[in-house]
Amino acid sequence: QSALTQPPSVSGSPGQSVTISCSGTSDDIGTYNRVSWYQQSPGTAPKLMIYEVNSRPSGVPDRFSGSKSGNTASLTISGLQAEDEADYYCSSFTTSTTYVFGTGTKVTVL
Amino acid sequence: EVLLLESGGGLVQPGGSLRLSCAASGFSFNNYAMNWVRQAPGKGLEWVSFISAITSNTYSVDSVKGRFSISRDNPKNTLYLQMNNLRAADTAIYYCARGYSVSGTYHFSFDSWGQGTLVTVSS
Repeated sequence: QSALTQPPSVSGSPGQSVTISCSGTSDDIGTYNRVSWYQQSPGTAPKLMIYEVNSRPSGVPDRFSGSKSGNTASLTISGLQAEDEADYYCSSFTTSTTYVFGTGTKVTVL
Repeated sequence: EVLLLESGGGLVQPGGSLRLSCAASGFSFNNYAMNWVRQAPGKGLEWVSFISAITSNTYSVDSVKGRFSISRDNPKNTLYLQMNNLRAADTAIYYCARGYSVSGTYHFSFDSWGQGTLVTVSS
């Protein structure tokens, strides 16, 4: 199972929106609405931001939203804030009853 | 408060073994699926293994099948990862992560993570 493909980096100014793509296959993203997104700041454990494509756990700001089309999922951060600077990873359940993570995207707030 | 505390990491020679533990507190451990996820130094996340809450069904990534074994002791609120025949490529921080479940419905994601334990495989 190969890692899902994400852009290495995206950037934006405070208040702008950025979107991170996550490309998979029909063996993962394309078959299930079981895509999740994680935020990881340096030296800390990942934090769940989005589950099942577009649902937010309690406590996650509504600036974070998710979507999916075909084999590609996306995470959008609206109204970018300095505290959003971190690495972001997508993940999907697969037809092999396993999970696969994305390659990771570094979000920089200019 | 949900707490997950990993232990058991360290330096081991190629071909050696380690057993990682994850002590859980602050929630009903026996009601939640659990996972191990690892992260090589400076690299991305890689899911390693899953174990279901009650029946202890297990699944693992191909690269560790036959070498790693996930298990749990519900009365002790502890998750384990037995790692045998370790390779340099297994060098990573190993996190235990709780499967996200709300009112008994599993949501195929990981909502609580420990701080990780570092495993270094080197001669």
